[in-house]
Amino acid sequence: EAGVTQSPTHLIKTRGQQATLRCSPISGHTSVYWYQQALGLGLQFLLWYDEGEERNRGNFPPRFSGRQFPNYSSELNVNALELEDSALYLCASSETSGGYSTDTQYFGPGTRLTVL
Amino acid sequence: DQQVKQNSPSLSVQEGRISILNCDYTNSMFDYFLWYKKYPAEGPTFLISISSIKDKNEDGRFTVFLNKSAKHLSLHIVPSQPGDSAVYFCAASARYGGATNKLIFGTGTLLAVQP
Repeated sequence: EAGVTQSPTHLIKTRGQQATLRCSPISGHTSVYWYQQALGLGLQFLLWYDEGEERNRGNFPPRFSGRQFPNYSSELNVNALELEDSALYLCASSETSGGYSTDTQYFGPGTRLTVL
Repeated sequence: DQQVKQNSPSLSVQEGRISILNCDYTNSMFDYFLWYKKYPAEGPTFLISISSIKDKNEDGRFTVFLNKSAKHLSLHIVPSQPGDSAVYFCAASARYGGATNKLIFGTGTLLAVQP
């Protein structure tokens, strides 16, 4: 069974540009999560999507946004890039049981975003 | 405010011996805990989890212990193997009936298993 996939693997942008990161969850998983791991920092929760809706958001500015498509894949968009947005962006997915997303999240390999 | 803390940035263990990784938390609402293993430039790999209604969960070489009164959990790896060398993250969530689902991660412990 295929795991969580993310694209691209690496992305280089300049300050002020926009970045789009993509994620495909494990088949059968309806919840998608985005995390940021900046250099020297831990994994910080960004966004949670389930059934096409944003369910929860971390302490990040509105220029971090995303969406979930009908096939449960997801995009993370970062507008007006700043140097400190350089980080590893990780996507995770989990399945839903009884109307609630289960707690074990499975991660993809990440997208390394570099802002110059 | 760091709600999940891993106070040991690194740990070195001999192959075949036990590795014990520790994690403390401050939020009493956390009711589900997970351990992930991470290699550089890769995503975290799920290892083992434990619900707050249990105090121990075992899966092969990996055992997680939860002490709710001390707000402490630990991951035991027995026997340790060189392939276990990686960064280990502790994570916690407060499910509130499924309303949040975000994982709060510790800062990680780098485990080095010496042959």
